[in-house]
Amino acid sequence: GAVVSQHPSRVICKSGTSVKIECRSLDFQATTMFWYRQFPKQSLMLMATSNEGSKATYEQGVEKDKFLINHASLTLSTLTVTSAHPEDSSFYICSGGITGGNTDTQYFGPGTRLTVL
Amino acid sequence: AQSVTQLDSHVSVSEGTPVLLRCNYSSSYSPSLFWYVQHPNKGLQLLLKYTSAATLVKGINGFEAEFKKSETSFHLTKPSAHMSDAAEYFCVVSDLMNTGFQKLVFGTGTRLLVSP
Repeated sequence: GAVVSQHPSRVICKSGTSVKIECRSLDFQATTMFWYRQFPKQSLMLMATSNEGSKATYEQGVEKDKFLINHASLTLSTLTVTSAHPEDSSFYICSGGITGGNTDTQYFGPGTRLTVL
Repeated sequence: AQSVTQLDSHVSVSEGTPVLLRCNYSSSYSPSLFWYVQHPNKGLQLLLKYTSAATLVKGINGFEAEFKKSETSFHLTKPSAHMSDAAEYFCVVSDLMNTGFQKLVFGTGTRLLVSP
């Protein structure tokens, strides 16, 4: 149980284009989802916390107009990287917390590798 | 703010020998601590979690970790390494947020290499 999927697993795009990444909780409802970024050989850094039906909360230094997050349902959150540039190339990982479950338990997706040319 | 420090970026062991991955934490209150493992092309998997119920925590795949408040440590151990244990390991501490869920703060990771 508690499976999270991400789509696509890999994406290559041209500089200046926008890319949407989907994060789905397959067998549980997630009121809260989290988006992380992981640069090569580095740790995961929390970008934003997404709450169903409300605006996302962004971490300091993360541009909310560049990284658009939508959490329209209890099983789907999307991250759109707008006007992507090569420095946005990274591994993006989402996670979900089970509604009504432990508040410190998150289930992680397999990640999406974004390469911006 | 909560933080964790993983002292080794790489650890190499031979199959069948013990594993020790070190982690120290900094917390202004009694924290929840975790170890996660990341295999290539797979999602992060929770190995074990400490939430003050017992200082020695047993996890999956034979791993365990001991919470030592006096040393602010939460080292991960396994008596005998297996080839399949080769992966990236993250020590994680939870931090309070204004919303319902707690934020996870990741260490820099330790890559475990297992040789035959």
